[in-house]
Amino acid sequence: AQSVTQLGSHVSVSEGALVLLRCNYSSSVPPYLFWYVQYPNQGLQLLLKYTTGATLVKGINGFEAEFKKSETSFHLTKPSAHMSDAAEYFCAVSGSAGNNRKLIWGLGTSLAVNP
Amino acid sequence: DAGVIQSPRHEVTEMGQEVTLRCKPISGHNSLFWYRQTMMRGLELLIYFNNNVPIDDSGMPEDRFSAKMPNASFSTLKIQPSEPRDSAVYFCASSFKGEAASQETQYFGPGTRLLVL
Repeated sequence: AQSVTQLGSHVSVSEGALVLLRCNYSSSVPPYLFWYVQYPNQGLQLLLKYTTGATLVKGINGFEAEFKKSETSFHLTKPSAHMSDAAEYFCAVSGSAGNNRKLIWGLGTSLAVNP
Repeated sequence: DAGVIQSPRHEVTEMGQEVTLRCKPISGHNSLFWYRQTMMRGLELLIYFNNNVPIDDSGMPEDRFSAKMPNASFSTLKIQPSEPRDSAVYFCASSFKGEAASQETQYFGPGTRLLVL
């Protein structure tokens, strides 16, 4: 069965500092992996996704993530945090092979950016 | 495009009452998903439709929950009777399912925050 673990429910960084949000997954099939962001009182928005091909995936707002099969990880990074990055971030894995419909979600990581 | 539209945005009701949540997917999308988000359980998929047909409702908690999609532009999630433990944020998402599964992306609505007293 597929599962997702997001390490750290709360992460706090200073403006301009590196952002690193951790995601580890478990999957019995080649996974599709996703990062979504949720701003206060809004729905989730796709940041980036990995399906096949290049393991370093670039997304919107300067975020990127690297799929590491040996480590079963898909950590999200951004070189320099901006105040507008403060939000909830969710990692998800596809529930079955080649299917990004029934996603399994992590519990989320709340990112705070301090001035 | 207006995005996925959900109504109401907030709902407060008393235990035992019927609650109906509504969703209008993005025009041209052929798949619709209902999710529930709570602090304890995170985001859970309740049911999803493809071309207005329910494909997987294994996440629907119990018989008190039902979902319909009478046409491509409208879906409802109904809870009858409602209970305090149903309090959560309910999201609707839509996507276009084509031949390439990897190209599909779910777009979320703003959610309905439900409080059952």
